[in-house]
Amino acid sequence: ETGVTQSPTHLIKTRGQQVTLRCSSQSGHNTVSWYQQALGQGPQFIFQYYREEENGRGNFPPRFSGLQFPNYSSELNVNALELDDSALYLCASKVRFQETQYFGPGTRLLVL
Amino acid sequence: EDQVTQSPEALRLQEGESSSLNCSYTVSGLRGLFWYRQDPGKGPEFLFTLYSAGEEKEKERLKATLTKKESFLHITAPKPEDSATYLCAVQPYQGGSEKLVFGKGTKLTVNP
Repeated sequence: ETGVTQSPTHLIKTRGQQVTLRCSSQSGHNTVSWYQQALGQGPQFIFQYYREEENGRGNFPPRFSGLQFPNYSSELNVNALELDDSALYLCASKVRFQETQYFGPGTRLLVL
Repeated sequence: EDQVTQSPEALRLQEGESSSLNCSYTVSGLRGLFWYRQDPGKGPEFLFTLYSAGEEKEKERLKATLTKKESFLHITAPKPEDSATYLCAVQPYQGGSEKLVFGKGTKLTVNP
């Protein structure tokens, strides 16, 4: 059984640029969530996708957007990058209505 | 507002020295409480899910317990490989969203 995978592992961007992060769900999982984890902090919920639709959103501006594809993989897009967007971005997958979420290894984004 | 507070922020133990980590929470309605382990630069690794007060779960040297206001992660006779940040999270009842609300974590160091 394949776990949650994310790409790329590391990324460096400059302020104002746009970035796309990718996530492949664990086999059999139909729900994907994205979290942002700043250094020394716990993960913060960005949004969740189920059946290709956004199903809940945290306190993040509209320049954070996402997609879920028919195979349940997902993308996180961030426009107009700011220095404070530097963080570890985590993807988590689960089966809808089952509680436990399983996390990928994350993508480390550095904005200069 | 749903909130999770973990204490202590950091804990140093000698190998074999048992201790407990605390997770206090306020939530409108608790769907589940989760413990994760996170190694530096990696994604959180699932440990336990607890659903109701009085519930306990064990895995190797770890035991998680839950009351109406807090959860404890007991570590018995820890080994250096138990060194990691331990994250506590709650999933509140909140419409269709299945987000997790995390604490900042407890960084555990076990010295040989």
